[in-house]
Amino acid sequence: DAGVTQSPTHLIKTRGQQVTLRCSPISGHKSVSWYQQVLGQGPQFIFQYYEKEERGRGNFPDRFSARQFPNYSSELNVNALLLGDSALYLCASSKQSTEAFFGQGTRLTVV
Amino acid sequence: AQRVTQPEKLLSVFKGAPVELKCNYSYSGSPELFWYVQYSRQRLQLLLRHISRESIKGFTADLNKGETSFHLKKPFAQEEDSAMYYCALSPNAGGTSYGKLTFGQGTILTVHP
Repeated sequence: DAGVTQSPTHLIKTRGQQVTLRCSPISGHKSVSWYQQVLGQGPQFIFQYYEKEERGRGNFPDRFSARQFPNYSSELNVNALLLGDSALYLCASSKQSTEAFFGQGTRLTVV
Repeated sequence: AQRVTQPEKLLSVFKGAPVELKCNYSYSGSPELFWYVQYSRQRLQLLLRHISRESIKGFTADLNKGETSFHLKKPFAQEEDSAMYYCALSPNAGGTSYGKLTFGQGTILTVHP
């Protein structure tokens, strides 16, 4: 099992653009969560999806959205990018009532 | 609102010395507490969780509800323990709550030879 996989690993975008980040959970895991990690800080919760439904949302603007597909993979979309959106975006998957397993992350740089 | 505080950003010890990484939390209910570790160039991984009450790689952590703390301890630090350590909290709502973690800012532990 390859674990949680995220793509792309690195991305450079211009202010105002839109970006889509992708996550494939561990086989059998139906819950996917997204986190933003700004340099020097701990990961901050953005979204959780379980069985294709949003189960939680952190304190992020509406420019951030996500969805989960029937195969439990997930996409995180960010519109109208700002310089402050530059961060490492982490995806984590979990089975019900078990620990969260993290991917390697996507490093987003907004210029 | 839930909050996790790790007061030390950096912690340096010598090999063989005891180490304690501090974590304090605030949460109105009964949360689940975790320690995650990130070694150089590796992904974030679970080190231990309070409900399992295990010792992993010589580390232990006891949940003190009175002091709302979950400090991580190891009696004899090793060089391979050098890493970033995050304390995290999950609302103990069961079911799908394990995906909703609140992290502290992290402590970089350096163990010198």
